[in-house]
Amino acid sequence: SQQGEEDPQALSIQEGENATMNCSYKTSINNLQWYRQNSGRGLVHLILIRSNEREKHSGRLRVTLDTSKKSSSLLITASRAADTASYFCATVGSSASKIIFGSGTRLSIRP
Amino acid sequence: DTAVSQTPKYLVTQMGNDKSIKCEQNLGHDTMYWYKQDSKKFLKIMFSYNNKELIINETVPNRFSPKSPDKAHLNLHINSLELGDSAVYFCASRPSAHTDTQYFGPGTRLTVL
Repeated sequence: SQQGEEDPQALSIQEGENATMNCSYKTSINNLQWYRQNSGRGLVHLILIRSNEREKHSGRLRVTLDTSKKSSSLLITASRAADTASYFCATVGSSASKIIFGSGTRLSIRP
Repeated sequence: DTAVSQTPKYLVTQMGNDKSIKCEQNLGHDTMYWYKQDSKKFLKIMFSYNNKELIINETVPNRFSPKSPDKAHLNLHINSLELGDSAVYFCASRPSAHTDTQYFGPGTRLTVL
């Protein structure tokens, strides 16, 4: 069954604003990853956070992980038009070698 | 260019036909995957190979048969195509068992008429 559920399914914001996407999952994990997918393209890895980490930064990206609530959030600060894409969270279970993707959040940045 | 590549990018075919999608990665990665992304963008793993050996085989109809001639290639053959097979198929690779990050190909959009 699907592991990650993203919220919201779609998000439209003004350029320059911050965008926050949330991901909830069901079982214990080894790590959680966020990927971006531009229209008509493959997924691109953005950031990985391990189960013993609570926050991670990469450029304008900030990821948090709350294992007690089985949830993660991705914050994109100072959004740009080029950030328009779908964003997926993906989990790797404690005992599994496969990665399970959520249903994604479609982010649109208005100029 | 170092990358995961797939051919063809688009595939339009009739129901009942047999077709293949090819994937190659020149990244030297050990593990390769096939995913299916449906119209709602839900991405589901189908198969995984590690050094030419099948390690993950999800509940996929046996009309789908992966083949890995070497660790740089993972092809997907589909027999007796059905309307429900229409989707975008992504190949991905992973460097090793110590790294969970995956690298995706550009996708193959399959349309079954």
